[in-house]
Amino acid sequence: KQEVTQIPAALSVPEGENLVLNCSFTDSAIYNLQWFRQDPGKGLTSLLLIQSSQREQTSGRLNASLDKSSGRSTLYIAASQPGDSATYLCAVRRAAAGNKLTFGGGTRVLVKP
Amino acid sequence: SAVISQKPSRDICQRGTSLTIQCQVDSQVTMMFWYRQQPGQSLTLIATANQGSEATYESGFVIDKFPISRPNLTFSTLTVSNMSPEDSSIYLCSCNSGGTDTQYFGPGTRLTVL
Repeated sequence: KQEVTQIPAALSVPEGENLVLNCSFTDSAIYNLQWFRQDPGKGLTSLLLIQSSQREQTSGRLNASLDKSSGRSTLYIAASQPGDSATYLCAVRRAAAGNKLTFGGGTRVLVKP
Repeated sequence: SAVISQKPSRDICQRGTSLTIQCQVDSQVTMMFWYRQQPGQSLTLIATANQGSEATYESGFVIDKFPISRPNLTFSTLTVSNMSPEDSSIYLCSCNSGGTDTQYFGPGTRLTVL
């Protein structure tokens, strides 16, 4: 059974500092991995999708890496801003499980001005 | 991308009653998914809904408690039946769209059961 872990559960940084968010998964037989952002009481916004054959994806200040063999993904957010404060979730999709996503517990980020 | 709307956005309900949540997608999609997010927790898949067939439920979720309808390729409903305070959660619908692997989520329905 796939298990997805995100450490730390919470993170507080001063504005301008780079953010490093970690995601680990137990079963390396994944189809892809997706990073989401969730603001309090809201739905999920997709940030980046990495296919199992890819090593990284970039979008603006965001960069996500994937090391499938070690079961890890890292989301980097450069030059953090107070508007980056949110909970960040990673989710993996197993090819054998159709489109089902297994989510990590999330990292709650606070960027202090 | 897909734009997903949900109704209601939030509701406060009494124990023992039922609530039906609607999910509308701006394009036709094969599969729609219903997730639950309990307070302070991550998301858990309730069921997968395909048009024209019965929904497929995950372990721990049953049709009598969470009946799902999928009348067409852009719409689905989830009913939370005979509610108890333990059903207080955010319920989110989701889909893939446009032939991509990206999964999109609706804004969620925040349910409080008293």
